[in-house]
Amino acid sequence: DGGITQSPKYLFRKEGQNVTLSCEQNLNHDAMYWYRQDPGQGLRLIYYSQIVNDFQKGDIAEGYSVSREKKESFPLTVTSAQKNPTAFYLCASSPPGQGATNEKLFFGSGTQLSVL
Amino acid sequence: KQEVTQIPAALSVPEGENLVLNCSFTDSAIYNLQWFRQDPGKGLTSLLLIQSSQREQTSGRLNASLDKSSGRSTLYIAASQPGDSATYLCAVMDSSYKLIFGSGTRLLVRP
Repeated sequence: DGGITQSPKYLFRKEGQNVTLSCEQNLNHDAMYWYRQDPGQGLRLIYYSQIVNDFQKGDIAEGYSVSREKKESFPLTVTSAQKNPTAFYLCASSPPGQGATNEKLFFGSGTQLSVL
Repeated sequence: KQEVTQIPAALSVPEGENLVLNCSFTDSAIYNLQWFRQDPGKGLTSLLLIQSSQREQTSGRLNASLDKSSGRSTLYIAASQPGDSATYLCAVMDSSYKLIFGSGTRLLVRP
């Protein structure tokens, strides 16, 4: 079955630690996205990538980093510079650019990150 | 800057009632509008996608309308069921192909 897999489902971060959230898709989509969701709020875009080896900052990129070395994978690192990392993180994918205008966005099941 | 607002923030209705969720956006330069469902602690599932040139889309008991000129969309749920209880989010795709989300409406359908 095609889909998006996020792991782990729950993650705990200690003070000053970097942690990496995994996102893998087998939908053959070029575009991938990372969103952050705080309780009772909508989703805010962290980073997005329209193609391999290229990515752009979203609205709240500070304290986060990404890489896009493979089409299927778009890992997100929450660095120690992110002072308020506790949130639900969602990964999504779609066809790139104009192709995305006709296609629904597919989401993974999310990772809940908490600070110890 | 595009802003998306959803009203009401929460809604509780008895089973069987028809209901309407509202979404408004500030910039009419959009490619499409999508309605999503989110269950607690889960990811989002896309319910309906309306392209900017369309007025409405239907899927089963769900009907979504779009009035781009006035910056409004509604999601109509007919004959609501307890299984419809979830958070419903709307999102618009802006001119750079990014989705901008509203904060959602939490729906509870009481048996």
